[in-house]
Amino acid sequence: AQTVTQSQPEMSVQEAETVTLSCTYDTSESNYYLFWYKQPPSRQMILVIRQEAYKQQNATENRFSVNFQKAAKSFSLKISDSQLGDTAMYFCAFMNPQGSNYKLTFGKGTLLTVNP
Amino acid sequence: DGGITQSPKYLFRKEGQNVTLSCEQNLNHDAMYWYRQDPGQGLRLIYYSQIVNDFQKGDIAEGYSVSREKKESFPLTVTSAQKNPTAFYLCASSPVGRTEAFFGQGTRLTVV
Repeated sequence: AQTVTQSQPEMSVQEAETVTLSCTYDTSESNYYLFWYKQPPSRQMILVIRQEAYKQQNATENRFSVNFQKAAKSFSLKISDSQLGDTAMYFCAFMNPQGSNYKLTFGKGTLLTVNP
Repeated sequence: DGGITQSPKYLFRKEGQNVTLSCEQNLNHDAMYWYRQDPGQGLRLIYYSQIVNDFQKGDIAEGYSVSREKKESFPLTVTSAQKNPTAFYLCASSPVGRTEAFFGQGTRLTVV
């Protein structure tokens, strides 16, 4: 079974600064996807970024980027120019597609607070 | 607007009663999922369905039941056998062959 570990329960950052959230995972599969989801106080889950394991290039989405280290099974999220609206719970998630089964395995989350 | 609707947003029930949480989607997605979220635990998969009239147990299915009679609907019943039902429940769906999951806004269930 796959596991996802987020070792930072809480983090804080000053507005406009950069912060990195850590995630490690364990799997014996070669075909998989990794995700970062954001859950603001409204509790709506929002997809932030997705990485395909067979792609060496790190994914980026505007101020959000990942550092994907496949051999180390590490998948960190970097948020640049942090904004107050980035305050949320962030979940790292793993998916190993099998047939039409696309279920997600989540880490326990990191609560990020952006301070003015 | 297309999306996933969970109702109600807040639900209170007495201990020992069964309760059903609603999840409806108009995205024409084949796959639907139920997750449970507890503080400090992340999201854990309860049940999932890839097609109408078929569903599979997830990691924490004990004390829960589901049905998938229509493509748009995937209701979750929390039975009296669930020992600790108070939690936040999230429903999600995804199209066939796509990795992006779309989530509802959740139902907060409190059992007293």
